[in-house]
Amino acid sequence: ILNVEQSPQSLHVQEGDSTNFTCSFPSSNFYALHWYRWETAKSPEALFVMTLNGDEKKKGRISATLNTKEGYSYLYIKGSQPEDSATYLCASGNAGGTSYGKLTFGQGTILTVHP
Amino acid sequence: SAVISQKPSRDICQRGTSLTIQCQVDSQVTMMFWYRQQPGQSLTLIATANQGSEATYESGFVIDKFPISRPNLTFSTLTVSNMSPEDSSIYLCSATQGTSTNEKLFFGSGTQLSVL
Repeated sequence: ILNVEQSPQSLHVQEGDSTNFTCSFPSSNFYALHWYRWETAKSPEALFVMTLNGDEKKKGRISATLNTKEGYSYLYIKGSQPEDSATYLCASGNAGGTSYGKLTFGQGTILTVHP
Repeated sequence: SAVISQKPSRDICQRGTSLTIQCQVDSQVTMMFWYRQQPGQSLTLIATANQGSEATYESGFVIDKFPISRPNLTFSTLTVSNMSPEDSSIYLCSATQGTSTNEKLFFGSGTQLSVL
């Protein structure tokens, strides 16, 4: 994998459904994997920064896992609510970049939660 | 945490003109960056804004097209010069605070640019 890839591109779910997205990234020279939640006309909101293989993080109903050896991360949302509707971005930082700010982003997954 | 004020939030411009986007951070930050998201594409890093010196541009981006200033630790501007419809994008500034072990990344709210 040369780039950061996310799937699916978009997702429509009903309120209360649980859902998950995938982020694939280059496993060589891995430094950190970021997940962001981005609503239109707002600043991207940091959800997780993950660095260790096997790491799992949780924030309320949202959780994420990381596999640096095979180069993928999953984001899970349990019991989706309409306010979860947003674009979810993942981004990879490579070793040698030395800064969280220099990231390679995926195209994002657009989540729409219907009441 | 840092709050980044970015303006304008959106603009519609004529081709051949230039637009300057500003980002002001409410506290000192280590590094500042500028990103672009063209329609249907990923957020792509344009350059690192260096305080008091020339910005460091990524492959495919040049200073003549995207001049960047960072006169102090909390302020940066990006100019989109001689615009064409292909420059229609969301432009986003970001900044980091902290050291490598506890570094945090913050974003502005973006500038939606449409070029006619």
